[in-house]
Amino acid sequence: SQELEQSPQSLIVQEGKNLTINCTSSKTLYGLYWYKQKYGEGLIFLMMLQKGGEEKSHEKITAKLDEKKQQSSLHITASQPSHAGIYLCGADIQGGSEKLVFGKGTKLTVNP
Amino acid sequence: DAGVTQSPTHLIKTRGQQVTLRCSPKSGHDTVSWYQQALGQGPQFIFQYYEEEERQRGNFPDRFSGHQFPNYSSELNVNALLLGDSALYLCASSLAGWINQPQHFGDGTRLSIL
Repeated sequence: SQELEQSPQSLIVQEGKNLTINCTSSKTLYGLYWYKQKYGEGLIFLMMLQKGGEEKSHEKITAKLDEKKQQSSLHITASQPSHAGIYLCGADIQGGSEKLVFGKGTKLTVNP
Repeated sequence: DAGVTQSPTHLIKTRGQQVTLRCSPKSGHDTVSWYQQALGQGPQFIFQYYEEEERQRGNFPDRFSGHQFPNYSSELNVNALLLGDSALYLCASSLAGWINQPQHFGDGTRLSIL
């Protein structure tokens, strides 16, 4: 079974709408990383969360790690076509390890 | 500041052949990790190299091997290629000793097996 579950698998929104992507684990998330990937290309680092309850923002993207450190959400406010791509959550579930496990990704389409 | 670079960008091989993929880490980084990303899936960890030694390994067969050079660059070798080895191979670099830091990824090598 997948160690990190992402939902939804895909999302189509109109430009200007808000959206949320979730990442859930059955194990403690010691480090949670959000990446964005354009089709067939490398991963672009967005944000890193470590502490339960932590929240970080960059431009119109906000990521949170819940208190129990088993779920994270990525929220985009006022989406733009430039936000389109595949969003991946990756995590250290061993503690102090650089071996990341990833979810399958959420494909975001933003229609102008 | 040079990021992670990988070569080649695309590669086509046939079953049974072997392949070597190359990666240069981001400037200042000394640790290289390799991931395999099948179509529609998230990346899966293959192994990690630090100080020219394999430090961690994921659930991949011995057909997958690697090497790290004194300048921190790395190679991924895959022998006896199978159709299922078709994937995007991603290299990521980081600096050892910094716990829970983001790994920086290259653009990957797209490997197609015929």
